[in-house]
Amino acid sequence: DAKTTQPNSMESNEEEPVHLPCNHSTISGTDYIHWYRQLPSQGPEYVIHGLTSNVNNRMASLAIAEDRKSSTLILHRATLRDAAVYYCILFNTDKLIFGTGTRLQVFP
Amino acid sequence: EAQVTQNPRYLITVTGKKLTVTCSQNMNHEYMSWYRQDPGLGLRQIYYSMNVEVTDKGDVPEGYKVSRKEKRNFPLILESPSPNQTSLYFCASSLFRGLYNEQFFGPGTRLTVL
Repeated sequence: DAKTTQPNSMESNEEEPVHLPCNHSTISGTDYIHWYRQLPSQGPEYVIHGLTSNVNNRMASLAIAEDRKSSTLILHRATLRDAAVYYCILFNTDKLIFGTGTRLQVFP
Repeated sequence: EAQVTQNPRYLITVTGKKLTVTCSQNMNHEYMSWYRQDPGLGLRQIYYSMNVEVTDKGDVPEGYKVSRKEKRNFPLILESPSPNQTSLYFCASSLFRGLYNEQFFGPGTRLTVL
């Protein structure tokens, strides 16, 4: 299974943009890039997904490199509620394979 | 409210005492799965089900059983729990199998096996 690499932790101040990187150099042509996040003491929550083109939704934006070997989740204005572990996942079968994710801290 | 529910939320048991963790979704989803989450290992899939009476092994199925007799329910059964099954368990569901569907996760069940 293709793997993803993310920084262990990142920090941001409230109301600033946050760019969470993910490397997936072994991605195949049919792998979708999914992002989930896990708030403290909760189950994971879907954030966004994409294949080749950049994607936007109410929660975030996903920027995918042209060669698809990396992607960036963009939170346009971080809030305290965005403090969570963010998982970048490659999905091409019937299962999600979670890595250890990036722990995002947001400071007031 | 659309949701995935799990019961119990917390359970402490002893080695060898059979237990069942229930999972139910009210969204008419076809696909359901179970994950366990352990420090440093992230979430790993135990079993999944693509529809009623259709189940398959995930990455770490040893020591677990599942059944899918109804669309809404997907219980996780530990016939003879052992301490290495102490973990945080999540049930998830999605509309269909596959690449396009977000998975909805339950709140988790924290299991301790003594």
